[in-house]
Amino acid sequence: QSVLTQPPSVSAAPGQKVTISCSGSSSNIENNYVSWYQQLPGTAPKLLIYDNNKRPSGIPDRFSGSKSGTSATLGITGLQTGDEADYYCGTWDSSLSALVFGGGTKLTVL
Amino acid sequence: EVQLVQSGAEVKKPGESLKISCKGSGYSFTSYWIGWVRQMPGKGLEWMGIIYPGDSDTRYSPSFQGQVTISADKSISTAYLQWSSLKASDTAMYYCARQIAAAGGDFFDYWGQGTLVTVSS
Repeated sequence: QSVLTQPPSVSAAPGQKVTISCSGSSSNIENNYVSWYQQLPGTAPKLLIYDNNKRPSGIPDRFSGSKSGTSATLGITGLQTGDEADYYCGTWDSSLSALVFGGGTKLTVL
Repeated sequence: EVQLVQSGAEVKKPGESLKISCKGSGYSFTSYWIGWVRQMPGKGLEWMGIIYPGDSDTRYSPSFQGQVTISADKSISTAYLQWSSLKASDTAMYYCARQIAAAGGDFFDYWGQGTLVTVSS
């Protein structure tokens, strides 16, 4: 059971938009910054979003992040088949003194 | 270019010891935390702990405290994850990653390619 809760799967058609939610609590998301990672099949995770809504160099602006209270959201627009991957949210948990992740969401681009 | 290169896959028996490595290059290895993340087969990511190679300050997740040892050799820009007695449940992919540790804003910006550890009798 992960500390952060994500939907197990989401799907959408190519060119459409999808959002992935990440729910936590006051000890993690509400008072700390959230990051998001993309894990393509058989590869290492890759940073997509940090500090709630910042994109590292090289990450297209089709990817966006937001946070409100104890929840965060990853948005992906203009979906491509190459976006099919597992997506994870992460943040620091002040009660556990540990970095915690969501259980992951599998994105299918139909 | 920042790179983290991990040691190769391992197949071990229960009760054996193991030390896997993660070599950093392209940045000041002593100035950034290195973290370890476990991914069990078909499962999600789990943070195990971190080390600051500059002074070997080490922090562990409560879930992994006492189960593994994290260390680093700054002279060769390499971090390590080791087990003294492996269990079948240690079978997983292990990633090292550079952790940016800021107040309330921890995240991993570069990742190694992963080391697959298989423990089977």
